[in-house]
Amino acid sequence: QSALTQPASVSGSPGQSITISCSGTSSDFGGYNYVSWFRQHPGKAPKLVIYDVSHRPSGVSDRFSGSKSGNTASLTISGLQAEDEADYFCFSFTTSNTHVFGGGTKLTVL
Amino acid sequence: EVQLVESGGGLVQPGGSLRLSCAASGFTLFSNWMHWVRQAPGKGLVWVSRINRDGTDANYADSVKGRFTISRDNAKNTLYLQMNSLRAEDTAVYYCARGCDGDCHGIDHWGQGTLVTVSS
Repeated sequence: QSALTQPASVSGSPGQSITISCSGTSSDFGGYNYVSWFRQHPGKAPKLVIYDVSHRPSGVSDRFSGSKSGNTASLTISGLQAEDEADYFCFSFTTSNTHVFGGGTKLTVL
Repeated sequence: EVQLVESGGGLVQPGGSLRLSCAASGFTLFSNWMHWVRQAPGKGLVWVSRINRDGTDANYADSVKGRFTISRDNAKNTLYLQMNSLRAEDTAVYYCARGCDGDCHGIDHWGQGTLVTVSS
């Protein structure tokens, strides 16, 4: 049960767009579109920003979008804002009826 | 408003046991799968376990299988994690998390976490 692979860090300037990738094996994604993304500010609990690959929960900005191609999921944040600076984790349901997180990506807003 | 409040964390010696609790409010616990997730200091999130709505089925990460047991008491709106044979590498903040409602598959709400420290 190795973690899904995410870049350790990404950065962007206010107003720009960034994309965070999340890659794994076919077993990691279970053939389902059950990939979520969470944002975590330091010392806080994670918050759901995308579920089932591309769906936004109520109250989450439409600046957040998700996609998946093969065994790689992606989170895109457009119109970067200072509040977006945080750690981001992907999360998937596997063929073993377990779940797995990505290693996390630190987003820095320059 | 959905609220999840963990308790039971603390300092325990290697080989010891601890039981975490998670009090749920703002929703009917029976309606949702529930999860435990942990995060070692300065590290990423790690999924630990999940349990189905009536407590008859559970899954575990390989790292805790055979040592941890997840359970629930829907009448008391409480989720539990019994942790035995604890190791230093189990040191982490443990989060209780609610499985998604409706068409969502995954986790939609989190507690604030309780810290477990395994050390002599």
